[in-house]
Amino acid sequence: DAKTTQPTSMDCAEGRAANLPCNHSTISGNEYVYWYRQIHSQGPQYIIHGLKNNETNEMASLIITEDRKSSTLILPHATLRDTAVYYCIVSSFSGGYQKVTFGIGTKLQVIP
Amino acid sequence: GAGVSQTPSNKVTEKGKYVELRCDPISGHTALYWYRQSLGQGPEFLIYFQGTGAADDSGLPNDRFFAVRPEGSVSTLKIQRTERGDSAVYLCASSPGRGRWNFGQGTRLTVV
Repeated sequence: DAKTTQPTSMDCAEGRAANLPCNHSTISGNEYVYWYRQIHSQGPQYIIHGLKNNETNEMASLIITEDRKSSTLILPHATLRDTAVYYCIVSSFSGGYQKVTFGIGTKLQVIP
Repeated sequence: GAGVSQTPSNKVTEKGKYVELRCDPISGHTALYWYRQSLGQGPEFLIYFQGTGAADDSGLPNDRFFAVRPEGSVSTLKIQRTERGDSAVYLCASSPGRGRWNFGQGTRLTVV
């Protein structure tokens, strides 16, 4: 699986949009971009994923560049409960399953 | 419950002892993963099951670690002759085979 690069930490004011970048310059054509987050002392939680097109759900939006070498997760109105470590992952199906490699992620601190 | 359940939530054991960690996946999910997470790090892949068989155990650190899933649902991660370096949070995730993974809350193992 391709590797990803994320900033180690970010701050965001409560109520503002949080934009979390991710570089995945070696992504291949069949690899999806996934975002998970991990709130302290909990297991990782799925947020969103996409292949080429931008995606939006009730939690966030995912913007993928046209060349697919980078993406941005957008939390439109960050709240204190969004403070967490955010993981950007690229993954494809190999041997019939997805083997996921997590990096260190971005620690997002939402500030009151 | 609807989610992935892991028991116990916390386990303290003495060095050299044997431990078993249990994972109850979401009903019907064929894929099951075990991860290990050390403090300040992202989850590290250990083993993947598709049904009853271990399709990829390349992440198991050594032969003290073993996992089973005899009936294709509940899985048990077994650690023999525990060492202090085995202390970590052990995470289990299940998936219907494609797409998002559902993680449990993890078992915090402390070897003293």
